[in-house]
Amino acid sequence: QVQLVQSGAEVKKPGASVKVSCKASGYTFTSYGISWVRQAPGQGLEWMGWISAYNGNTNYAQKLQGRVTMTTDTSTSTAYMELRSLRSDDTAVYYCARGAHPAEPFDYWGQGTLVTVSS
Amino acid sequence: QPVLTQPTSLSASPGASARFTCTLRSGINVGTYRIYWYQQKPGSLPRYLLRYKSDSDKQQGSGVPSRFSGSKDASTNAGLLLISGLQSEDEADYYCAIWYSSNVVFGGGTKLTVL
Repeated sequence: QVQLVQSGAEVKKPGASVKVSCKASGYTFTSYGISWVRQAPGQGLEWMGWISAYNGNTNYAQKLQGRVTMTTDTSTSTAYMELRSLRSDDTAVYYCARGAHPAEPFDYWGQGTLVTVSS
Repeated sequence: QPVLTQPTSLSASPGASARFTCTLRSGINVGTYRIYWYQQKPGSLPRYLLRYKSDSDKQQGSGVPSRFSGSKDASTNAGLLLISGLQSEDEADYYCAIWYSSNVVFGGGTKLTVL
C-alpha cells in the first residue's frame, strides 16, 4: 500500500533552517511528484510547492520563493523540503502529499511533521 | 480579496444534506477551473474527496462514498460540495482548492458540525 513517512518533530530558533524528509513506498516513486502543504496551529492548509520525482522539476508557491528548496533522492524514494530563515509564523505541521502534477489531487498524505520556531 | 472564499462554519442534522460553497474571486470564472475538495477530521490528515469541473470532467476520490458529490453554481461563481445523508462521522473541516496562476490555492475551510 502507498505510504509516505515523514521525519520527526523539530524545534528551531528564528533565522535557522529546517529540512523535513518524506519517504515513499508502495508505488513507483518516479511516476509521481510530491507536494508540500503546511498548516499553522488552528489554521487552514497552505500549499508550499511541488517537485517532480521523475526529473526534479519544481514549482514553488510565490510566497515562499527564495526560502524553500525541494529535492528528491530517487535511490531511497525520499523527498525533502528545506525552509530557511525561519520565523515564528513558520510554526506549523508540514505535510508531504503525492500528486502526479501540482494541478492534480493529493491522493496520499504523510503523517505530518510539526516544526516549532521559537527563541 | 482571497482567491477562494468559504464560509467559516456550517451546521446540519444527521440524515440531512449539507451544501458547502467555495466562491471564486470576482474575475476568476468558476467554469474554467477544476475544484478539488478535501476533508480533514480533527487530529487527522487531510483526505482527498473529489474533483469537479463539469459533469463530464469529475473524479471521485478512492473509497469516497457517492453521497459526496460536486457541482457548480455559475450564478454565484462558486464550486459546491454536497453531502447527502449526513452522519456524525462527517463532522470535519472541508477545504476547496484550485490550480490558479501556477499555484495551488486553498480556501480557508468550512467546519461542519453535525448535530
